[in-house]
Amino acid sequence: DTEVIQTPKHLVMGMTNKKSLKCEQHMGHRAMYWYKQKAKKPPELMFVYSYEKLSINESVPSRFSPECPNSSLLNLHLHALQPEDSALYLCASSHPPGGGPDTQYFGPGTRLTVL
Amino acid sequence: AQSVTQPDIHITVSEGASLELRCNYSYGATPYLFWYVQSPGQGLQLLLKYFSGDTLVQGIKGFEAEFKRSQSSFNLRKPSVHWSDAAEYFCAVAPNNAGNMLTFGGGTRLMVKP
Repeated sequence: DTEVIQTPKHLVMGMTNKKSLKCEQHMGHRAMYWYKQKAKKPPELMFVYSYEKLSINESVPSRFSPECPNSSLLNLHLHALQPEDSALYLCASSHPPGGGPDTQYFGPGTRLTVL
Repeated sequence: AQSVTQPDIHITVSEGASLELRCNYSYGATPYLFWYVQSPGQGLQLLLKYFSGDTLVQGIKGFEAEFKRSQSSFNLRKPSVHWSDAAEYFCAVAPNNAGNMLTFGGGTRLMVKP
């Protein structure tokens, strides 16, 4: 099973709201990723967790706050977002670096609209 | 720094026709190579990947890709396109000393004419 589950599928929020995106995988992967994808563009890496520790933060604004409660779950907490943050947010997982070549498996994404 | 180029932003083919999507990379050593497909509003689905060995790799949905080291290319092919193949296709590379940090190409939008 190569399934990555993301909830919710769609989210509409105001600029003063606090919300969270959730990602779950049960493939035993120990690396998990958040990407942001604007329309007609490739995904852009935001964060990487390896063994539940944040290993890469691609200079993402602090209004995005990732959390990895355990090896199967990844959250992205959102607060005080801007309309330009509206995008498709993708979660992916893989075995962590150093274990040889591996593949990232992506979830279906959460379509976020910030009003 | 590594980079990936997909020269064709849009491609339109007739249903039943053959397809080739181009991908060129720039990297010091042979990276790991991937093709993903994304239907509108959906996540990315892995079509195929190349790590080493046979340079012609088979993937899902009847797709194949050929790694050509001399041309730094990893082009995706399908002998007969179906209307359901209409989607966005992304080529991606990962350095062979860091496992799985992906760099994506800009994508190619495939449209299929009936």
